Amino acid sequence: AQTVTQSQPEMSVQEAETVTLSCTYDTSESDYYLFWYKQPPSRQMILVIRQEAYKQQNATENRFSVNFQKAAKSFSLKISDSQLGDAAMYFCAYRSATDSWGKLQFGAGTQVVVTP
Amino acid sequence: ETGVTQSPTHLIKTRGQQVTLRCSSQSGHNTVSWYQQALGQGPQFIFQYYREEENGRGNFPPRFSGLQFPNYSSELNVNALELDDSALYLCASSLAGLAGVTGELFFGEGSRLTVL
Repeated sequence: AQTVTQSQPEMSVQEAETVTLSCTYDTSESDYYLFWYKQPPSRQMILVIRQEAYKQQNATENRFSVNFQKAAKSFSLKISDSQLGDAAMYFCAYRSATDSWGKLQFGAGTQVVVTP
Repeated sequence: ETGVTQSPTHLIKTRGQQVTLRCSSQSGHNTVSWYQQALGQGPQFIFQYYREEENGRGNFPPRFSGLQFPNYSSELNVNALELDDSALYLCASSLAGLAGVTGELFFGEGSRLTVL
């Protein structure tokens, strides 16, 4: 079974600064997908960024980018130019390429606090 | 285009009772997944429905059951409620095929269940 580990319960960042969230995962598979989801106080999970394991290039979405290290099984998220609206719980998630479409394995989450 | 909607938003039950939670998928989506999110934890996959059939299940006992209707709305039923069933229940919809490539799920805001 795959496991996803987020070792940082909380990270604090000042507006306009950069913060990096860590995520490691354990799998014996070679084909899979990785995601970062954001959960604000409204509780609705929102996809931030995704990465296909077969792609070596790191995914980027505006101010959000990842550092995907397949051999190390590491998938960190960098938030640049942090904004107050980035404050939320961030979850790293894994999906096997052979699993049900909607079956994601989530980590425990990292709370991001943004200070003015 | 309407998003994923869930009802009720909050409810309180007592141990041993039964509960039904409802989800209306995003327009055009034919797959629905249900997750349980205990306080301070990441979501845990319960099961997924595609074309009214369960086609993937997590590590949850049979007293967790579901239905998907022809209009792709869905229900999660939990029998013989236990105190540990207290959690946020999230519904997520996707379009089969699309999620297989991107894994993008569209989540509702959840139903907060408290079992006393």
